[in-house]
Amino acid sequence: KNEVEQSPQNLTAQEGEFITINCSYSVGISALHWLQQHPGGGIVSLFMLSSGKKKHGRLIATINIQEKHSSLHITASHPRDSAVYICAAISNFGNEKLTFGTGTRLTIIP
Amino acid sequence: KAGVTQTPRYLIKTRGQQVTLSCSPISGHRSVSWYQQTPGQGLQFLFEYFSETQRNKGNFPGRFSGRQFSNSRSEMNVSTLELGDSALYLCASSPMNSGANVLTFGAGSRLTVL
Repeated sequence: KNEVEQSPQNLTAQEGEFITINCSYSVGISALHWLQQHPGGGIVSLFMLSSGKKKHGRLIATINIQEKHSSLHITASHPRDSAVYICAAISNFGNEKLTFGTGTRLTIIP
Repeated sequence: KAGVTQTPRYLIKTRGQQVTLSCSPISGHRSVSWYQQTPGQGLQFLFEYFSETQRNKGNFPGRFSGRQFSNSRSEMNVSTLELGDSALYLCASSPMNSGANVLTFGAGSRLTVL
């Protein structure tokens, strides 16, 4: 079992829909990254959060450290949001290593 | 402000050869971390350097090594290449250690081993 699990693996939605991607982890963490990867490989860091909620434009990320769960939400989804979304947990065992989820492939249909 | 620059972007090697990849971080960033991405294993952490010292290392064999120079530029080396080393190699820089800061990724170096 992976230490960091994401769901769903694939998600197809219509433009304008509200999107939720989930990330759960079994290890102790100090914080978590949400990353976006477009075709071609480039990765952009969307959020890094250790508690509560962060918002940037149409993107919202939440985390509950006690429940070991984080979610990424996209409001009013757009075809340009089509990408792979990856969560990465930061270990709290002093070494702060990153462990990645397997990614969620999101496709937004116009 | 220039982003994170990785060179080369694409390269093809044969089994048994060795390869060196370079990563120039954002000016002022002192931490450089390296990652391997394959279709089968996804993204995996290789190692992190901070102020010329290896701070963290992932679970990769000793054929994978790296270093960081005084100007924060970093190189990673893979010796005795195997077919399974074919992957996208990404580096990321951050002002301090990668765990506590937002990461800025380079475009990656895509390695094909024949």
